[in-house]
Amino acid sequence: EAGVAQSPRYKIIEKRQSVAFWCNPISGHATLYWYQQILGQGPKLLIQFQNNGVVDDSQLPKDRFSAERLKGVDSTLKIQPAKLEDSAVYLCASRRIGQVNGYTFGSGTRLTVV
Amino acid sequence: KQEVTQIPAALSVPEGENLVLNCSFTDSAIYNLQWFRQDPGKGLTSLLLIQSSQREQTSGRLNASLDKSSGRSTLYIAASQPGDSATYLCAVDNQAGTALIFGKGTTLSVSS
Repeated sequence: EAGVAQSPRYKIIEKRQSVAFWCNPISGHATLYWYQQILGQGPKLLIQFQNNGVVDDSQLPKDRFSAERLKGVDSTLKIQPAKLEDSAVYLCASRRIGQVNGYTFGSGTRLTVV
Repeated sequence: KQEVTQIPAALSVPEGENLVLNCSFTDSAIYNLQWFRQDPGKGLTSLLLIQSSQREQTSGRLNASLDKSSGRSTLYIAASQPGDSATYLCAVDNQAGTALIFGKGTTLSVSS
C-alpha cells in the first residue's frame, strides 16, 4: 500500500508570513495525526482527527495554527503568522481504527522560519 | 501528565557491540509502548510494539522489554552494524486510539 504523502518536503519563510502543509494518509485510515518535531526533541502532538472530527487539539497553538480534514481524507495544517520558534519538522501519521499497531508516518515537512 | 525520558541522548559504539537503550515513563498506566527508528530527513519506522500485558518483543537482532510497574523499557540491539546508525525513539499511549507521547530519542552511531 502507498505510504503517507506529505508536501512540500521543505519550506523556508520569513517570520510573520503564512504557510500550509498537506497530508494524504493511507487509504482507509480514519485516524490522522499532526506532530511537530523541533530539532533534538521527540515529536509532539499538535492535533488528532478521527474521520473529519477533531479528537485532540489541546496542544495546538490556536492563535496561529489551524488544521482541517475535509471529507475525512486529506488534511492541511496552516500557520499564520509564523514565528521563529515554529521552525521544525511537521510529521503527519495515520492509523486504521482498531489496529493495535499500524502507525504510518510520512517523511515530514521541514519548515525554517527566518 | 505522562512524560517519557530516554537515556543516553547519544551513543557511539564500534561495530559488533551489543548495546542497550533506555526509556522511562512517569505514568505506569500505559496501553502500548513502541520503539521507532528515525533516519535523517525521514519519517519514523516502527520497530517493536509491546502491549501493556506483554513483557517483551523480539525482531531479529532487536529485543525490547517492558516493566510497567517500574515505568521502564529497554531496547537491546545485538551485534550492532553501521546500518543501525539512527535516532531511536520510545513512545507510549495511555489509551486505545490516543496519540503517542514520545521521548527525545537516543542518537546511535555505529562505526565500522
